[in-house]
Amino acid sequence: NAGVTQTPKFQVLKTGQSMTLQCAQDMNHNSMYWYRQDPGMGLRLIYYSASEGTTDKGEVPNGYNVSRLNKREFSLRLESAAPSQTSVYFCASRKQGTRYTEAFFGQGTRLTVV
Amino acid sequence: SQQGEEDPQALSIQEGENATMNCSYKTSINNLQWYRQNSGRGLVHLILIRSNEREKHSGRLRVTLDTSKKSSSLLITASRAADTASYFCATDGGNNRLAFGKGNQVVVIP
Repeated sequence: NAGVTQTPKFQVLKTGQSMTLQCAQDMNHNSMYWYRQDPGMGLRLIYYSASEGTTDKGEVPNGYNVSRLNKREFSLRLESAAPSQTSVYFCASRKQGTRYTEAFFGQGTRLTVV
Repeated sequence: SQQGEEDPQALSIQEGENATMNCSYKTSINNLQWYRQNSGRGLVHLILIRSNEREKHSGRLRVTLDTSKKSSSLLITASRAADTASYFCATDGGNNRLAFGKGNQVVVIP
């Protein structure tokens, strides 16, 4: 049981380049999330998807787009990368339908924008 | 906006001692959760406490919740070197979002 899988694990981009971070979960969870983690800032929510076909902005959505491709997959796209987007990105999922559920996280994608 | 705010930010203790960290939040919650993150890894869920609960135990972990003060604490008893990690609280306001705090770094010295 793989859980939440993120690809790639590491990426270096030049300013202005675009890329898509991939996330897939095999736990049949409805809800999926993208967070970024910066030193001293904790985790900040970029976008989330409560269910297939829906997405909502989190705290820091500017510069990002997302796609909930199907129930398993939730991708994060940077259209024109900026150095401020250098961060570690985490995808998470959790079961919806009950009120008290924990989130499961991927191992993260370390992105550097130069 | 970020809901969870842990305090203190960094803690260094000897193996066998207890470690306590606190979290405060600003709005009403459905439940509060604690997660651990080992260096360079993803977060792992530790324990969840519901808004109508005041205390919960899981192994060497004890969590308290005071909704009147909008605060929670996590106690790790008889710490081990393997407990060295960052610990985050996350609040669930029932709107399908999990809002994380900035984290506590705990170093357990063997």
